[in-house]
Amino acid sequence: AQSVTQLGSHVSVSEGALVLLRCNYSSSVPPYLFWYVQYPNQGLQLLLKYTSAATLVKGINGFEAEFKKSETSFHLTKPSAHMSDAAEYFCAVSDQRYSSASKIIFGSGTRLSIRP
Amino acid sequence: DSGVTQTPKHLITATGQRVTLRCSPRSGDLSVYWYQQSLDQGLQFLIHYYNGEERAKGNILERFSAQQFPDLHSELNLSSLELGDSALYFCASSVASGGGDTQYFGPGTRLTVL
Repeated sequence: AQSVTQLGSHVSVSEGALVLLRCNYSSSVPPYLFWYVQYPNQGLQLLLKYTSAATLVKGINGFEAEFKKSETSFHLTKPSAHMSDAAEYFCAVSDQRYSSASKIIFGSGTRLSIRP
Repeated sequence: DSGVTQTPKHLITATGQRVTLRCSPRSGDLSVYWYQQSLDQGLQFLIHYYNGEERAKGNILERFSAQQFPDLHSELNLSSLELGDSALYFCASSVASGGGDTQYFGPGTRLTVL
């Protein structure tokens, strides 16, 4: 069964500092992996996704994530945090690569706070 | 704006009642997904429909049901409501039905059961 673990329910960084949000996954088949962002009182927005084309995935708003099969990780990074990055971030996995259905499992989320 | 619309935005009802949440997918999208987000359970996948057919089920209670209509809009029906059903319910849509398809989320319906 697929699962996702996000390490750290709350991360706080200073504006301009490196952002690192950790995600580890479990999947019996090569997975699809996603990072979504949720701003207060809004729905989720896709930041980036891994579908096996390249292990380093670049997303919107300067975020990127690297798929590391040996570590079963898909950590999200951004070189320099901006105040507008404050939000809830969700890592998600789908192991429906060989199916015509889609079942995405979300992690518990990491709230990112940015200190001025 | 993702292009996915959900109505109503807020819903307040009493225990034991039945409600219907509505979702209109982005133009051209054939898949609709429903999710429940609550403080204690987090974000949970409920069900996936593709072009009117159920494709995948998650942790959806028997008191809950969904359908996708010929015009591709979807409804999530919640019955015999309990206090614990209070949550944010999201709908998402995608072009096709594959596991790697990008899902576009609506703004959600906040359900409060009193």
